[in-house]
Amino acid sequence: SYVLTQPPSVSVAPGQTARIACGGNNIGKRSVHWYQQRPGQAPVVVVYDDSDRPSGIPERFSGSNSGNTATLTISRVEAGDEADYFCQVWDRSSDHPVFGTGTKVTVL
Amino acid sequence: QITLKESGPTLVKPTQTLTLTCTFSGFSLSTPGVGVGWIRQPPGKALESLALLYWDDDKSYSPSLKSRLTITKDASKKQVLLTMTNMDPVDTATYYCAHRGGSGSYYASWGQGTLVTVSS
Repeated sequence: SYVLTQPPSVSVAPGQTARIACGGNNIGKRSVHWYQQRPGQAPVVVVYDDSDRPSGIPERFSGSNSGNTATLTISRVEAGDEADYFCQVWDRSSDHPVFGTGTKVTVL
Repeated sequence: QITLKESGPTLVKPTQTLTLTCTFSGFSLSTPGVGVGWIRQPPGKALESLALLYWDDDKSYSPSLKSRLTITKDASKKQVLLTMTNMDPVDTATYYCAHRGGSGSYYASWGQGTLVTVSS
């Protein structure tokens, strides 16, 4: 089955930019979605179809996808951005969604 | 407004069968493209998709858990049920149900989740 690999953790100072990678074989050919999960809460989609944002999600959240890596970028990081982030794609071989290993973002 | 809520036992014994219910509102499971999925998350670990039920009653299961899972719906009650057999302590997790909109392959809305512990 398709495997998505993320770094376990990313640390960033307030006001700086956080970049979270999601690696997968030819992931650039797939649509990638990103979820934010704050402690004790359910996941919330922050970026879908590589770079689109649902209504209500700040423009500070953006996404890109090319080659073997998709990236979620959080600009002007705030304390409230501290959370776990998961990428997700559709695995065509199993016709089932697959989630990444998750990245914990810590705001210093 | 779309809402989903999971319900079921909080504690099951090893080898028992788990049945969870997702009660939803704000959308129709008859709308083309719409689906309801189940996803779980062991404490401190990653999300794992388990099963997905589509508007046309088509179903998709995790390849690694397919033999243990059954997803069904009760359209009149606006519920989607998940059954998992032969529960084991490693199945201890928070179980979420989520709404997949017709236009995308992602989960746009999630329930609050329910923690299921497997222990004798």
